Amino acid sequence: DGGITQSPKYLFRKEGQNVTLSCEQNLNHDAMYWYRQDPGQGLRLIYYSQIVNDFQKGDIAEGYSVSREKKESFPLTVTSAQKNPTAFYLCASSIGGHLPTYNEQFFGPGTRLTVL
Amino acid sequence: AQTVTQSQPEMSVQEAETVTLSCTYDTSESNYYLFWYKQPPSRQMILVIRQEAYKQQNATENRFSVNFQKAAKSFSLKISDSQLGDTAMYFCAFMIAGGGADGLTFGKGTHLIIQP
Repeated sequence: DGGITQSPKYLFRKEGQNVTLSCEQNLNHDAMYWYRQDPGQGLRLIYYSQIVNDFQKGDIAEGYSVSREKKESFPLTVTSAQKNPTAFYLCASSIGGHLPTYNEQFFGPGTRLTVL
Repeated sequence: AQTVTQSQPEMSVQEAETVTLSCTYDTSESNYYLFWYKQPPSRQMILVIRQEAYKQQNATENRFSVNFQKAAKSFSLKISDSQLGDTAMYFCAFMIAGGGADGLTFGKGTHLIIQP
């Protein structure tokens, strides 16, 4: 089945530790995204990547880092510099490209990160 | 920068009733897409309906329809014959056309509860 997988589903971290969230897609999509969701908030864009070996900061990139070494993978690292990392993290992908037509974003099931 | 506002944090209606969720947005772009996403308790994001700004005709998907008022920058979602399975968070979202690999801008969401 084609889709997006995120692992783990639940993740616990001690303060001061870096942690990496996994996102993999087998849809052959060029573009991938990371969003953060807090209670009472919509999704906010952390980072996005339009193509392999390239990525851009979103609205709330501070305290996060990403890499895009493979088309199918877009891991997100939550660093100790992120002051309030407890949240629900969603990964998405789309065909990508600056086309005039619509590029639907497909979402993964999410990872719930809790800082202890 | 674009902003999306959902002014109803929570709504509750009886099963089989019709309900309308409100969304307003602000942008200086002339060509863009608008979306309604559903997030049930499983937290999986599901695309409900989309509207291209250049189309005057309102989008419809079965029981879901939108009222798109471009001049007023308003994009409401109407759910007819509501069902218990419609209980979920609903997010309004915006994307610039042509920026197909850029991220979505979301509103804060409306929690819709369908009562039996």
